[in-house]
Amino acid sequence: SQTIHQWPATLVQPVGSPLSLECTVEGTSNPNLYWYRQAAGRGLQLLFYSVGIGQISSEVPQNLSASRPQDRQFILSSKKLLLSDSGFYLCAWSVQGGPQHFGDGTRLSIL
Amino acid sequence: QSVTQLDSHVSVSEGTPVLLRCNYSSSYSPSLFWYVQHPNKGLQLLLKYTSAATLVKGINGFEAEFKKSETSFHLTKPSAHMSDAAEYFCVVSVRGNTGFQKLVFGTGTRLLVSP
Repeated sequence: SQTIHQWPATLVQPVGSPLSLECTVEGTSNPNLYWYRQAAGRGLQLLFYSVGIGQISSEVPQNLSASRPQDRQFILSSKKLLLSDSGFYLCAWSVQGGPQHFGDGTRLSIL
Repeated sequence: QSVTQLDSHVSVSEGTPVLLRCNYSSSYSPSLFWYVQHPNKGLQLLLKYTSAATLVKGINGFEAEFKKSETSFHLTKPSAHMSDAAEYFCVVSVRGNTGFQKLVFGTGTRLLVSP
């Protein structure tokens, strides 16, 4: 069966520090991968999606970037975090025509 | 394409029916989903509608009915359980400029279940 792992579960970072959140999927090949952000009391906002290795599409201009170095690995990064980057970050995967399946998320707090 | 969740909070007593309302807007036959999120957790798929049967049965006793004439996709459950307390999201799948299918989320409905 397919599983998705995100880490870390929680992270507290100072303003201006770098960021690296990792997501891996097991049990499937060539999935579509997604990064979402959920601000407090709001729905989910799609940040990036990827249909293959090295293929990244950005949905909103921001301080973050994404990379897909391997088929089932998706990384969310920042060189310098802003206060506004705080939130709950969710990774998801899907296969063509199927629904999206989510990881347990990373809660990021910026101090 | 978009979805509107009509209630930000719904409160029910354990054992009573649950109704979470969702209206959609789509220029073509949509794919619709309901997801549930427990505190500090990811989202779990409850059910999906993809133009087959209009009454869709999901996990944990939930079901939703697609009504094209009302552009609605309300989520129901006959009898609430304490473990149903969570945030529920109505979601529509849309096709972007590149042809890629993306999800658009409603703002969520928080379900509160009292003993």
